[in-house]
Amino acid sequence: GQQVMQIPQYQHVQEGEDFTTYCNSSTTLSNIQWYKQRPGGHPVFLIQLVKSGEVKKQKRLTFQFGEAKKNSSLHITATQTTDVGTYFCAGRPGGGNKLTFGTGTQLKVEL
Amino acid sequence: GAVVSQHPSWVICKSGTSVKIECRSLDFQATTMFWYRQFPKQSLMLMATSNEGSKATYEQGVEKDKFLINHASLTLSTLTVTSAHPEDSSFYICSASWTNTEAFFGQGTRLTVV
Repeated sequence: GQQVMQIPQYQHVQEGEDFTTYCNSSTTLSNIQWYKQRPGGHPVFLIQLVKSGEVKKQKRLTFQFGEAKKNSSLHITATQTTDVGTYFCAGRPGGGNKLTFGTGTQLKVEL
Repeated sequence: GAVVSQHPSWVICKSGTSVKIECRSLDFQATTMFWYRQFPKQSLMLMATSNEGSKATYEQGVEKDKFLINHASLTLSTLTVTSAHPEDSSFYICSASWTNTEAFFGQGTRLTVV
Protein backbone atom coordinates (compact mmCIF):
# COMPACT_ATOMS: atom_id res chain seq x y z
CA GLY A 1 0.00 0.00 0.00
CA GLN A 2 0.91 3.62 -0.13
CA GLN A 3 3.55 4.81 2.30
CA VAL A 4 4.17 8.38 3.26
CA MET A 5 7.39 8.98 5.14
CA GLN A 6 8.56 12.11 6.84
CA ILE A 7 11.98 13.15 8.03
CA PRO A 8 13.17 13.99 10.51
CA GLN A 9 11.09 12.20 13.12
CA TYR A 10 12.05 14.75 15.78
CA GLN A 11 13.59 18.17 15.69
CA HIS A 12 14.69 20.37 18.57
CA VAL A 13 15.52 23.94 17.71
CA GLN A 14 16.28 27.13 19.54
CA GLU A 15 13.69 29.83 19.16
CA GLY A 16 14.53 31.89 16.11
CA GLU A 17 16.10 29.02 14.18
CA ASP A 18 14.55 27.67 11.00
CA PHE A 19 12.90 24.27 10.67
CA THR A 20 12.13 22.02 7.72
CA THR A 21 10.25 18.74 7.47
CA TYR A 22 10.27 16.60 4.35
CA CYS A 23 7.50 14.34 3.14
CA ASN A 24 7.94 11.53 0.61
CA SER A 25 5.23 9.35 -0.87
CA SER A 26 5.74 5.99 -2.53
CA THR A 27 3.09 6.93 -5.09
CA THR A 28 2.11 10.05 -7.00
CA LEU A 29 -0.40 12.20 -5.18
CA SER A 30 -3.21 14.23 -6.70
CA ASN A 31 -2.69 16.73 -3.92
CA ILE A 32 -1.01 16.95 -0.55
CA GLN A 33 -2.17 18.46 2.70
CA TRP A 34 -0.34 19.55 5.81
CA TYR A 35 -1.66 19.39 9.36
CA LYS A 36 -0.38 20.50 12.73
CA GLN A 37 -1.19 18.62 15.91
CA ARG A 38 -0.46 20.18 19.26
CA PRO A 39 0.25 17.85 22.20
CA GLY A 40 -3.05 16.36 23.38
CA GLY A 41 -4.96 17.93 20.51
CA HIS A 42 -6.36 16.92 17.17
CA PRO A 43 -4.83 17.63 13.75
CA VAL A 44 -5.56 21.07 12.38
CA PHE A 45 -5.49 21.70 8.67
CA LEU A 46 -2.78 24.08 7.46
CA ILE A 47 -2.81 23.98 3.69
CA GLN A 48 -3.39 21.96 0.53
CA LEU A 49 -1.10 21.90 -2.49
CA VAL A 50 -2.39 20.69 -5.82
CA LYS A 51 -0.10 21.68 -8.66
CA SER A 52 3.27 20.21 -9.51
CA GLY A 53 6.01 22.49 -8.20
CA GLU A 54 3.53 24.63 -6.29
CA VAL A 55 4.81 26.87 -3.51
CA LYS A 56 2.54 28.50 -0.95
CA LYS A 57 3.35 30.75 1.97
CA GLN A 58 1.53 31.44 5.21
CA LYS A 59 3.42 34.08 7.17
CA ARG A 60 6.55 32.23 8.37
CA LEU A 61 5.51 28.91 6.84
CA THR A 62 6.47 27.91 3.29
CA PHE A 63 5.02 24.81 1.69
CA GLN A 64 6.31 23.18 -1.47
CA PHE A 65 4.98 20.36 -3.67
CA GLY A 66 7.54 18.49 -5.73
CA GLU A 67 7.58 18.44 -9.50
CA ALA A 68 6.80 14.72 -9.57
CA LYS A 69 4.02 15.20 -6.99
CA LYS A 70 5.56 12.58 -4.75
CA ASN A 71 7.25 14.80 -2.22
CA SER A 72 6.62 17.94 -0.28
CA SER A 73 8.25 20.12 2.33
CA LEU A 74 7.27 22.54 5.06
CA HIS A 75 9.73 25.21 6.11
CA ILE A 76 9.26 27.45 9.12
CA THR A 77 11.38 30.58 9.31
CA ALA A 78 12.43 31.91 12.70
CA THR A 79 10.57 29.40 14.85
CA GLN A 80 8.58 30.50 17.86
CA THR A 81 7.42 28.52 20.88
CA THR A 82 3.92 28.57 19.42
CA ASP A 83 5.20 26.40 16.56
CA VAL A 84 5.62 23.44 18.91
CA GLY A 85 3.72 20.37 17.77
CA THR A 86 3.79 17.53 15.30
CA TYR A 87 3.51 18.30 11.62
CA PHE A 88 1.92 15.75 9.34
CA CYS A 89 1.64 15.64 5.60
CA ALA A 90 -1.27 13.68 4.17
CA GLY A 91 -2.30 12.50 0.74
CA ARG A 92 -5.01 10.54 -1.00
CA PRO A 93 -3.80 7.47 -2.87
CA GLY A 94 -5.46 6.96 -6.21
CA GLY A 95 -7.49 10.13 -5.84
CA GLY A 96 -9.97 8.52 -3.45
CA ASN A 97 -11.38 10.07 -0.33
CA LYS A 98 -9.23 8.25 2.24
CA LEU A 99 -6.37 10.30 3.65
CA THR A 100 -3.05 8.61 4.34
CA PHE A 101 -0.98 10.46 6.88
CA GLY A 102 2.77 10.75 6.90
CA THR A 103 4.81 9.54 9.84
CA GLY A 104 5.02 13.06 11.23
CA THR A 105 7.76 15.34 12.50
CA GLN A 106 7.67 16.46 16.10
CA LEU A 107 9.02 19.95 16.60
CA LYS A 108 10.21 21.27 19.94
CA VAL A 109 11.28 24.86 20.29
CA GLU A 110 13.44 25.92 23.21
CA LEU A 111 13.91 29.44 24.45
CA GLY B 1 -15.49 24.92 7.90
CA ALA B 2 -17.38 21.84 8.97
CA VAL B 3 -17.67 21.17 12.69
CA VAL B 4 -17.19 17.66 14.03
CA SER B 5 -17.88 16.92 17.67
CA GLN B 6 -16.55 13.81 19.37
CA HIS B 7 -17.54 12.47 22.75
CA PRO B 8 -16.23 11.58 25.25
CA SER B 9 -12.87 13.32 25.18
CA TRP B 10 -11.42 10.75 27.52
CA VAL B 11 -12.59 7.52 29.09
CA ILE B 12 -11.16 4.96 31.47
CA CYS B 13 -12.67 1.51 31.45
CA LYS B 14 -12.01 -1.88 32.93
CA SER B 15 -10.55 -4.65 30.84
CA GLY B 16 -13.30 -6.72 29.24
CA THR B 17 -15.87 -3.96 29.05
CA SER B 18 -17.05 -2.11 25.94
CA VAL B 19 -16.75 1.58 25.22
CA LYS B 20 -18.75 3.63 22.75
CA ILE B 21 -17.35 6.77 21.14
CA GLU B 22 -19.64 9.18 19.32
CA CYS B 23 -18.78 11.41 16.41
CA ARG B 24 -21.29 14.02 15.32
CA SER B 25 -21.33 16.38 12.39
CA LEU B 26 -22.88 19.57 13.72
CA ASP B 27 -23.43 21.74 10.68
CA PHE B 28 -23.44 19.35 7.77
CA GLN B 29 -24.63 15.91 6.76
CA ALA B 30 -21.90 13.31 6.57
CA THR B 31 -22.50 10.29 4.40
CA THR B 32 -18.93 9.21 5.08
CA MET B 33 -16.76 9.57 8.14
CA PHE B 34 -13.38 8.14 8.99
CA TRP B 35 -12.06 6.63 12.20
CA TYR B 36 -8.38 6.84 13.08
CA ARG B 37 -6.26 5.48 15.85
CA GLN B 38 -3.11 7.13 17.13
CA PHE B 39 -0.61 5.65 19.54
CA PRO B 40 1.72 7.99 21.48
CA LYS B 41 4.28 9.71 19.27
CA GLN B 42 2.95 7.94 16.20
CA SER B 43 0.93 8.90 13.17
CA LEU B 44 -2.79 8.60 12.57
CA MET B 45 -3.68 5.19 11.24
CA LEU B 46 -6.97 4.84 9.40
CA MET B 47 -9.07 2.11 10.95
CA ALA B 48 -12.24 2.24 8.92
CA THR B 49 -14.53 4.26 6.72
CA SER B 50 -18.00 4.72 8.16
CA ASN B 51 -20.76 4.78 5.56
CA GLU B 52 -24.22 6.08 6.39
CA GLY B 53 -26.83 3.38 6.01
CA SER B 54 -24.40 0.63 5.12
CA LYS B 55 -21.56 -1.40 6.53
CA ALA B 56 -18.28 0.20 7.40
CA THR B 57 -15.21 -0.51 5.33
CA TYR B 58 -12.33 -1.66 7.49
CA GLU B 59 -8.64 -1.31 6.75
CA GLN B 60 -6.51 -4.39 6.54
CA GLY B 61 -5.62 -5.75 9.95
CA VAL B 62 -8.47 -4.03 11.81
CA GLU B 63 -10.84 -6.48 13.52
CA LYS B 64 -14.43 -5.81 12.52
CA ASP B 65 -15.86 -7.60 15.52
CA LYS B 66 -13.57 -5.73 17.86
CA PHE B 67 -14.26 -2.26 16.57
CA LEU B 68 -17.94 -1.95 15.77
CA ILE B 69 -18.92 1.04 13.67
CA ASN B 70 -22.46 2.25 13.26
CA HIS B 71 -23.49 5.13 11.03
CA ALA B 72 -27.26 5.12 11.37
CA SER B 73 -27.86 8.76 10.58
CA LEU B 74 -26.29 11.50 8.51
CA THR B 75 -25.01 13.27 11.61
CA LEU B 76 -23.80 10.47 13.85
CA SER B 77 -21.19 7.75 13.58
CA THR B 78 -20.22 5.61 16.55
CA LEU B 79 -17.23 3.43 17.27
CA THR B 80 -17.60 0.75 19.92
CA VAL B 81 -14.50 -0.92 21.24
CA THR B 82 -15.73 -4.29 22.42
CA SER B 83 -14.13 -6.36 25.17
CA ALA B 84 -11.45 -3.74 25.59
CA HIS B 85 -7.97 -4.72 26.69
CA PRO B 86 -5.01 -2.59 27.78
CA GLU B 87 -3.49 -2.83 24.30
CA ASP B 88 -6.57 -1.03 22.98
CA SER B 89 -5.58 2.04 24.98
CA SER B 90 -5.04 4.76 22.41
CA PHE B 91 -6.26 8.06 21.01
CA TYR B 92 -9.24 7.53 18.73
CA ILE B 93 -10.29 10.31 16.40
CA CYS B 94 -12.94 10.72 13.75
CA SER B 95 -13.01 12.97 10.74
CA ALA B 96 -15.17 14.02 7.85
CA SER B 97 -13.83 14.96 4.47
CA TRP B 98 -14.74 14.96 0.81
CA THR B 99 -12.64 14.28 -2.22
CA ASN B 100 -9.96 16.96 -2.58
CA THR B 101 -10.98 18.79 0.58
CA GLU B 102 -9.37 19.11 3.96
CA ALA B 103 -10.31 16.73 6.76
CA PHE B 104 -12.32 18.08 9.67
CA PHE B 105 -11.48 16.27 12.88
CA GLY B 106 -13.32 15.67 16.08
CA GLN B 107 -11.53 16.49 19.30
CA GLY B 108 -10.45 12.88 19.78
CA THR B 109 -11.06 10.37 22.57
CA ARG B 110 -8.28 9.15 24.79
CA LEU B 111 -9.13 5.61 25.87
CA THR B 112 -7.36 4.01 28.79
CA VAL B 113 -8.14 0.39 29.58
CA VAL B 114 -7.10 -0.76 33.04
